[in-house]
Amino acid sequence: DTEVTQTPKHLVMGMTNKKSLKCEQHMGHRAMYWYKQKAKKPPELMFVYSYEKLSINESVPSRFSPECPNSSLLNLHLHALQPEDSALYLCASSQPTKSNQPQHFGDGTRLSIL
Amino acid sequence: SQQGEEDPQALSIQEGENATMNCSYKTSINNLQWYRQNSGRGLVHLILIRSNEREKHSGRLRVTLDTSKKSSSLLITASRAADTASYFCATDGGFKTIFGAGTRLFVKA
Repeated sequence: DTEVTQTPKHLVMGMTNKKSLKCEQHMGHRAMYWYKQKAKKPPELMFVYSYEKLSINESVPSRFSPECPNSSLLNLHLHALQPEDSALYLCASSQPTKSNQPQHFGDGTRLSIL
Repeated sequence: SQQGEEDPQALSIQEGENATMNCSYKTSINNLQWYRQNSGRGLVHLILIRSNEREKHSGRLRVTLDTSKKSSSLLITASRAADTASYFCATDGGFKTIFGAGTRLFVKA
């Protein structure tokens, strides 16, 4: 069992739909991350939240909108996605320090855009 | 840009053999980590080695770090079928963790 829970596990949506991915952790971590991972590729960082504030946006298109309502929750709102956005979306959390800290990952949401 | 590059890209061995994966990186680091990812799952943190350490062990895992060569290796001893997974090195850049391309390990029973 992972300590970071992501829902839903699978999501199929059309290009005009609006949906949200959810992530929850109860480890007291104050840094949370969204990654996008294509098949047979490493995770690519999308967003970092530190103490519920957005600290890094890796030039992600505005059709992806992150939200951190509190220290345990992280959402990724999706709107007008493209077929190339189909991927595994991973959420992670860690202690927020300047140096690289071990991250705890959820099992991801597998997203398919029709 | 990708910080870590790993080789081999794929590795197939028999159960009981040792598996060695290598990671090279480009800029100075505070630490380097290794993660495992089973098919269809999230990444699991395996081990962290700091820049002032040269070697670290955890169970059947042995990690080395050579900062002069900007490289690290992960050795899995006495491999098991359950070790079949992708393995990624990860280096730091402030709050950013940058993953290498990964090595896909297949352990045949």
